[in-house]
Amino acid sequence: QQQVKQSPQSLIVQKGGISIINCAYENTAFDYFPWYQQFPGKGPALLIAIRPDVSEKKEGRFTISFNKSAKQFSLHIMDSQPGDSATYFCAASMGEYGNKLVFGAGTILRVKS
Amino acid sequence: ETGVTQSPTHLIKTRGQQVTLRCSSQSGHNTVSWYQQALGQGPQFIFQYYREEENGRGNFPPRFSGLQFPNYSSELNVNALELDDSALYLCASSLGPDPQYFGPGTRLTVT
Repeated sequence: QQQVKQSPQSLIVQKGGISIINCAYENTAFDYFPWYQQFPGKGPALLIAIRPDVSEKKEGRFTISFNKSAKQFSLHIMDSQPGDSATYFCAASMGEYGNKLVFGAGTILRVKS
Repeated sequence: ETGVTQSPTHLIKTRGQQVTLRCSSQSGHNTVSWYQQALGQGPQFIFQYYREEENGRGNFPPRFSGLQFPNYSSELNVNALELDDSALYLCASSLGPDPQYFGPGTRLTVT
């Protein structure tokens, strides 16, 4: 019940295209859903996050879509650029002290120029 | 504003030894969480410290321990190192439970 399942494992997108990464969760107590971007040898960097009271959140080229009834959320990267090539992790938590971030397995994105 | 910093950057230890990793939280943050990230996997939660008290622990054995100091910096100690402890150790700080901001990590290699 603590798992977050992420797909696809890897993704190749042409420059200017839309990258879409999906995540699904089981624990309905999760109430905070961030996405992190990680470059090789670096720590994860927070990209964007959403809470279940909204169905979509957009920040620049990054959009989270959230479907509470399906227990799914996704990251859309519009106008994908080669600099977006990285590993992306979805995560979930219950937003309380002592509660961990539960991460998906990650998606390796490669944007071809 | 200074972000999360970790030291050392890289470390090589022998099986059975002990190691201490350090983390300075982002200015104004009072909560520090530690994660272990094995190669090709997502980070796994080790424990969290809030105001110098352990406040949540993941599925790690007691040989993983930690401290948080009055300035909210933190240490992760690992005793009796095993080969499987080789990983990137990440520290994340936050003001409250979320959002968590990660440091660059310490790459630990156990031989």
